[in-house]
Amino acid sequence: DGGITQSPKYLFRKEGQNVTLSCEQNLNHDAMYWYRQDPGQGLRLIYYSQIVNDFQKGDIAEGYSVSREKKESFPLTVTSAQKNPTAFYLCASSILAGVTDTQYFGPGTRLTVL
Amino acid sequence: GESVGLHLPTLSVQEGDNSIINCAYSNSASDYFIWYKQESGKGPQFIIDIRSNMDKRQGQRVTVLLNKTVKHLSLQIAATQPGDSAVYFCAENPMDSNYQLIWGAGTKLIIKP
Repeated sequence: DGGITQSPKYLFRKEGQNVTLSCEQNLNHDAMYWYRQDPGQGLRLIYYSQIVNDFQKGDIAEGYSVSREKKESFPLTVTSAQKNPTAFYLCASSILAGVTDTQYFGPGTRLTVL
Repeated sequence: GESVGLHLPTLSVQEGDNSIINCAYSNSASDYFIWYKQESGKGPQFIIDIRSNMDKRQGQRVTVLLNKTVKHLSLQIAATQPGDSAVYFCAENPMDSNYQLIWGAGTKLIIKP
């Protein structure tokens, strides 16, 4: 998985709770990304970060928040405002922020709301 | 919108045969295309990419063909092996969206022994 770790692998949450998904990379990449994947579908971009202390919304940012305090870390918080949070969440990184730079993905976190 | 339980298109191929996975992309302004492979329970893995100024690009056992006239992309896998079993995604990058990829729904490749 290219030096990107995500934890935990499986996560269960009660409705109304916030939960934070971890993503760490040791590739010295500047850019990091969070995607959501639903069954039988492709990936949709939640947030991305080109550099430390900077991040931008993707297509489906509502109900999610991120921080980028360190180059190697890009945690994603799924808030209670996200109406349908059950999904497979994937973190990725690339050397630079251009999409033509290959994105390397972590193993993913499967979030289930009970 | 979301389609929970959407059935993935599936391609079954005999081991040793060539596989051809097709993808119709949506944006005629897209100038960069990528194929990813995703094994069950894992993150996607980059396979090969191609820019819009090319029609064909070859890698190790894989070839990507781009037909801009009909907005069609294909991935050819030579001598398919059991380890090729996965879901394959094509993704496109519209010229006006430098940091975002638009992903297809994926095709599940099944290898028959």
